[in-house]
Amino acid sequence: DAGVTQSPTHLIKTRGQQVTLRCSPKSGHDTVSWYQQALGQGPQFIFQYYEEEERQRGNFPDRFSGHQFPNYSSELNVNALLLGDSALYLCASSFEGTTNEKLFFGSGTQLSVL
Amino acid sequence: QKEVEQDPGPLSVPEGAIVSLNCTYSNSAFQYFMWYRQYSRKGPELLMYTYSSGNKEDGRFTAQVDKSSKYISLFIRDSQPSDSATYLCAMSSYSGGYQKVTFGTGTKLQVIP
Repeated sequence: DAGVTQSPTHLIKTRGQQVTLRCSPKSGHDTVSWYQQALGQGPQFIFQYYEEEERQRGNFPDRFSGHQFPNYSSELNVNALLLGDSALYLCASSFEGTTNEKLFFGSGTQLSVL
Repeated sequence: QKEVEQDPGPLSVPEGAIVSLNCTYSNSAFQYFMWYRQYSRKGPELLMYTYSSGNKEDGRFTAQVDKSSKYISLFIRDSQPSDSATYLCAMSSYSGGYQKVTFGTGTKLQVIP
C-alpha cells in the first residue's frame, strides 16, 4: 500500500519564479491538505482540497493556489516566489469519512528560493 | 499568544532514560490531541492520538491529556537512539464545519547511546 508520495523531493528556484509541487494521496484517501514547514518550526496549514474544491484556507496569500484532480491527487502552485517561501512543503492526506481525520504525510518537497 | 506552545529543545538524554515531552494550548475548542514524530528530511509520522483526558499507552509510548489544565504530554520509556527525532504535538478543532489541525513548533530529541 503506497503512502503519500510527493514530487519533486528538492527544488531550487529564483525570486519571482513560479513553482508547482505534486502530491498523490494514500490509497483510499480523498482529502489532501498542504502545509508549509519553515526550518525549526511546526507545519503551517496552507489549504485543504476535497471533491476537487478548496474548502479551507490558512493565512497564506493568493500567490499560493492549488488544484485537486478526479483521482484525488493534488498540486500546489506558488507564484512570484519570495525568499521567505523557502521551506519544506508537506502534503497530507486523510479520509473524509472518519470522525477524526488522521493526517498521513508525505516526505515533502524542499523548496529553496535564491 | 500562540494557540499551541511547545518547548523547541533540544533535549538530550542517555539511552534507556524516560523522556517527557509537553505542550500547552489556549483554545478550549481543541478536541483531538496527537503526537507526530519527524525524522530529519522526512514528513511527520503519526505516533499517538487521543480524544479525552487521561492516558493512552502504546508500547513504550504514553500520551497524557489534561483538558482542565490545557496540557498534554508524551512519555517515552526506555528511550533508544532510534527515537532521536523531532516530536510535534498537534491538536484539532472544527472550524467552519471542517476539522482544522494546529501544530506545535516541535521538540528536537537526541538519545545518546
